[in-house]
This record gives sequence, C-alpha cells and structure tokens, in this order.
Amino acid sequence: SAVISQKPSRDICQRGTSLTIQCQVDSQVTMMFWYRQQPGQSLTLIATANQGSEATYESGFVIDKFPISRPNLTFSTLTVSNMSPEDSSIYLCSGGGTSGRQNEQFFGPGTRLTVL
Amino acid sequence: EDKVVQSPLSLVVHEGDTVTLNCSYEVTNFRSLLWYKQEKKAPTFLFMLTSSGIEKKSGRLSSILDKKELFSILNITATQTGDSAIYLCAVGDLRYNFNKFYFGSGTKLNVKP
Repeated sequence: SAVISQKPSRDICQRGTSLTIQCQVDSQVTMMFWYRQQPGQSLTLIATANQGSEATYESGFVIDKFPISRPNLTFSTLTVSNMSPEDSSIYLCSGGGTSGRQNEQFFGPGTRLTVL
Repeated sequence: EDKVVQSPLSLVVHEGDTVTLNCSYEVTNFRSLLWYKQEKKAPTFLFMLTSSGIEKKSGRLSSILDKKELFSILNITATQTGDSAIYLCAVGDLRYNFNKFYFGSGTKLNVKP
C-alpha cells in the first residue's frame, strides 16, 4: 500500500488566519482526497484533489474556504482559510487507485488543527 | 440520499469476548465496502469487500458482505485491549470515475482487561 505523510501533524492557530496542510504520497496514486473529522464524528469528504485541474468539492465546502492544489500524482495541499473555532478538526489526506488496488483508499496520519 | 449506518455506536466488552460490528448501506451503485480501524488519528485499512459471501480473514478479525441484504459484519474473536478503537465502514460508489466513499459514523469499541 502507499505510504502517506502529512505536515504539520498539529497546529494551533488564531482566528482569521490561514493554514496550509501538505500531503505527500510515496508512490503515484490516481486519486487524492481531503477529509475532515470533527470531534466525536466520522469522516466527511471535503473534496477530491484533481491533478492539474480544480478540485471537486462536496456539498457544503467551497474553494474560497478550502483551496486545494495537486500539482502532480504524489502531492497535494489543502488550505483552511480565514479560520474560525468551528474549523477545529482533524484533517486527513487519503490516496487511492494504486496499481492492483484500485478500490482501496489509504490515509495519512492526519493534521490536528485547533483554532483559538 | 446514499448513506452508511453502523451499529452499535459503542460497545464495551471484556478481554476474550467475541464482538460483531454491523454496517448497512444504501448506496445506489455499490463498488466496494471497506473496514478501517481508527485508534488515534489516521484510519488504518483492515479489509476490502466486493463480493457477497466471501469471508475475508486476518488473524482474529474477519468480515463478510451481503450485497443482497446490503450489509457487512466485522467479527473480532478473543478480543484484546489493543482492539479498543473506532471501527469505520466506508462504501464506494461506482457512479464516479474515482473512488468516492461514504463513511459510517463508526462503532467505538472499548475492551476492558
């Protein structure tokens, strides 16, 4: 399976600022995704990071708030913009569609964000 | 609206017990069902199921899918305290060219010594 790393692993930010989270995969993956997991809840898909084009956002998430980049098949970033305490959450990157394991999805270690 | 429902939401057992976790789904174009174990942050992959009636097994864990009744179960035998975690079920949707997954709310398992 692909090994996925994220940084930072955690951060504490002030209201109104922005944070960019990086996700690196050790091999090329077809798909990369960004999820949010708020305290005590399950994973919610924010968007699919598309290589070389605009990300595909789920209902309730917009590009101005969560801009995403994916310049190649192994790297993606998610920015949480103009943060508020409601953005405090774990943000998870995942990758899938590797050769021979097209239907599986693997997760990075997550970024724990606290907004004061 | 597509959805994935897990039950129970939480479970407390003692070491050595056997547990069964349930996942039912209503996904229009089923592709696959995945089970994950989440202890701290990142969910770790356990099983992927695509065909009905074929049991996947890994040590004390096993899982099976019923595509007719639209559910899957995850069994853990001879539980250990290290099995304490949230178990997540995710179902993939064929409508999309990519692997879009719907996640259940998870079952929180607490195994006491």
